[in-house]
Amino acid sequence: DAKTTQPPSMDCAEGRAANLPCNHSTISGNEYVYWYRQIHSQGPQYIIHGLKNNETNEMASLIITEDRKSSTLILPHATLRDTAVYYCIVRVGTSGSARQLTFGSGTQLTVLP
Amino acid sequence: KAGVTQTPRYLIKTRGQQVTLSCSPISGHRSVSWYQQTPGQGLQFLFEYFSETQRNKGNFPGRFSGRQFSNSRSEMNVSTLELGDSALYLCASSPLVVRGALQETQYFGPGTRLLVL
Repeated sequence: DAKTTQPPSMDCAEGRAANLPCNHSTISGNEYVYWYRQIHSQGPQYIIHGLKNNETNEMASLIITEDRKSSTLILPHATLRDTAVYYCIVRVGTSGSARQLTFGSGTQLTVLP
Repeated sequence: KAGVTQTPRYLIKTRGQQVTLSCSPISGHRSVSWYQQTPGQGLQFLFEYFSETQRNKGNFPGRFSGRQFSNSRSEMNVSTLELGDSALYLCASSPLVVRGALQETQYFGPGTRLLVL
């Protein structure tokens, strides 16, 4: 699976959009971009994933660049409860392949009141 | 639907003992994966089970083992515990296929925090 690079920490004001970047310059054509977050001492929570098109769900939006070498997770209106470590993961999503998730260090997002 | 459940949530053991952790996946999910999280090594993949068979294994010693039952519930066992086995053990389940389409997103449980003294 491709490696990812994320900033170690970011701050965001409550109510503002939080934009979390991720670089995955060695991503392959069949690798998906997944985002998870982990609030202190809890299990990681799935947020969103995508292959090449932008995706949106009730939690966030995922913007993937046209060359797929980077992506941005957008939390449109950050709240204090969004304070967490955010992990960007790329992995192959074909049936029968290794399904493990390889977590990096992630980005510690702190939402400030 | 209820989420992934793990029992027990907290556990204290001493070196040399063994421990068994349990995971009940989300109803209908067929794949169960286990991960270990420590402050030093982060989140690391242990193994994955599907159809009662281990499909994939991470780089952990043989003291770490697991199994999956016909109802998809899974257990992992650690024998001869070492101090370094103190960690948060996380279980994740995945449906693999939903309405004929591939769906491999993994959903995590709250974890079992193991302390080895």
